[in-house]
Amino acid sequence: NAGVTQTPKFQVLKTGQSMTLQCAQDMNHNSMYWYRQDPGMGLRLIYYSASEGTTDKGEVPNGYNVSRLNKREFSLRLESAAPSQTSVYFCASTRTGGIGETQYFGPGTRLLVL
Amino acid sequence: RKEVEQDPGPFNVPEGATVAFNCTYSNSASQSFFWYRQDCRKEPKLLMSVYSSGNEDGRFTAQLNRASQYISLLIRDSKLSDSATYLCVVNKGGTALIFGKGTTLSVSS
Repeated sequence: NAGVTQTPKFQVLKTGQSMTLQCAQDMNHNSMYWYRQDPGMGLRLIYYSASEGTTDKGEVPNGYNVSRLNKREFSLRLESAAPSQTSVYFCASTRTGGIGETQYFGPGTRLLVL
Repeated sequence: RKEVEQDPGPFNVPEGATVAFNCTYSNSASQSFFWYRQDCRKEPKLLMSVYSSGNEDGRFTAQLNRASQYISLLIRDSKLSDSATYLCVVNKGGTALIFGKGTTLSVSS
């Protein structure tokens, strides 16, 4: 099992460019999440998907959109990148999204917006 | 009060030392508590869940004090491989998680 995979690992964008971060899990988990991590900050939830076909906003959703393509895949799209979106992005999944469940994280995507 | 607060450190200790990290949380309705470990430039990984009665996993002991809204992690006999950032994580009502900024531990020989 690969667990949670993310592509790309690194990306440099110019302000205004768009891109999609891909995430996939092979653990048959129902719930998936996107976080960003900035220096000196805790991980902050951008969007989550409790189950296939549903998505909800987290703490910092502005400037992002998501798609739960199927049970395995959950993508994050930046339509018009801004320097404030320079960050490390982590995707995570849990079995059912229930309280107390372990979150399994992907290796992260490091994004630099110039 | 911030939702989850941790002393950022860094904590610099020699091998074999005992070190304790503390964390406070603001939401009295929180029901699940965790310590995650994050190595430099890596993803967070669950170290241990924290239960009301306290729990131990080898050299690691976690305690929860609901009355004071306080969580602790004790590491005994520190190893070089324990060097990492330790994240205190609390659920924010429901299933959403709030991550602390982390406490950095550096163990030296």
